[in-house]
Amino acid sequence: GQQLNQSPQSMFIQEGEDVSMNCTSSSIFNTWLWYKQDPGEGPVLLIALYKAGELTSNGRLTAQFGITRKDSFLNISASIPSDVGIYFCAGGGSNYKLTFGKGTLLTVNP
Amino acid sequence: DAGVIQSPRHEVTEMGQEVTLRCKPISGHDYLFWYRQTMMRGLELLIYFNNNVPIDDSGMPEDRFSAKMPNASFSTLKIQPSEPRDSAVYFCASKRAGAGGELFFGEGSRLTVL
Repeated sequence: GQQLNQSPQSMFIQEGEDVSMNCTSSSIFNTWLWYKQDPGEGPVLLIALYKAGELTSNGRLTAQFGITRKDSFLNISASIPSDVGIYFCAGGGSNYKLTFGKGTLLTVNP
Repeated sequence: DAGVIQSPRHEVTEMGQEVTLRCKPISGHDYLFWYRQTMMRGLELLIYFNNNVPIDDSGMPEDRFSAKMPNASFSTLKIQPSEPRDSAVYFCASKRAGAGGELFFGEGSRLTVL
């Protein structure tokens, strides 16, 4: 089946630094989404992208849908301690099924 | 508005026992998904329903797994008999028709099979 390569697997950064993570796929997706999961909770949607080349922001978060439709990135600017968590990318096809990346564990040192 | 509600939050059981996980989706959402999360395999889609009808169960690992959605506000995922390799966090998620991939997840049910 479809697989997503999400990188990096983990990041340790200082508060105030910017963060960038990305996902690549060998398959084309119609939708790219980014979710965040806190410990003991379910994933929560951060940003949804529906058009190739689309660049969308949500506060300090910015994500882009790659022009080839095979990749996406997520940037977090001026990180704060509450940004800690696991970030997942997800690619969606025409059948409402999402394929999730393995996640990026973000640690922010105050 | 209440989010997706799952129960139990935690379950510890012995191999061979039947396990039933429950989910109440967000009112008005037409789609319901069951996911399993493990360290090794990440988030895997098991099955999804549209208007209470199972659409794709290709992710259900074995015949030991079954899922039902008797009405728009309730779904169950059953494992019978359970095995230690079924230990995982099971998530239920729902979404509206036309909402693309914008899923709302429950808090999950952590299953441990001894």
